[in-house]
Amino acid sequence: EVQLLESGGGLVQPGGSLRLSCAASGFTFSNSVMSWVRQAPGKGLEWVSSISGGGDTAYYADSVKGRFTISRDNSKNMVFLQMNSLRAEDTAVYYCAKWALLSLAFDIWGQGKMITVSS
Amino acid sequence: DIQMTQSPSSLSASIGDRVTISCRASQNIRSFLNWYQQKPGKAPKLLIYTASSLQTGVPSRFSGSGSGTDFTLTISSLQPEDFATYYCQQSYSTPPYTFGQGTKLEIK
Repeated sequence: EVQLLESGGGLVQPGGSLRLSCAASGFTFSNSVMSWVRQAPGKGLEWVSSISGGGDTAYYADSVKGRFTISRDNSKNMVFLQMNSLRAEDTAVYYCAKWALLSLAFDIWGQGKMITVSS
Repeated sequence: DIQMTQSPSSLSASIGDRVTISCRASQNIRSFLNWYQQKPGKAPKLLIYTASSLQTGVPSRFSGSGSGTDFTLTISSLQPEDFATYYCQQSYSTPPYTFGQGTKLEIK
């Protein structure tokens, strides 16, 4: 079964750090572009970051550039999002998503992990 | 960055109605436009990719059209399970892959 499973969410103080993990199964992970998409409470979807299959190319939204780092471990079929200098406006559900190269869309999504940045 | 604008932001409709949701891009994105459905507390689900291609397993009452800057998602006959929020998203060129603000479809 094709599946993405996030872990690592929770409550963190402003200025703090947190790392999200996403475990993939059921598809050829090392060939797949992986991404993080977030959704603030009651708001719409916002693309956050993407990483190429080999891990050599990464893209970031301006809102997180310089603070978040995406990485992957193809030997473990996992992708990560290291979040530093967290702000209240980073509070959101974070989804791990697979980018389908044929359809140029996010075809597989994880269940999402809530990150709350608050003192 | 390319901006995506959906209309309306919300709409009410009845079972069996035909519904259309519009999405406009701030520049020409050819056919690089996707549609997603999201139900409360759930992850988004891909419905339509590259403007008009139906994702595997999605009912045929969903269809997409358009190219360039103007796109439409149509549900031909609303079913109870279709009440949700719908998002368009552009996939033209490199990231950022921006989303529209969403259209909430509610029961009349």
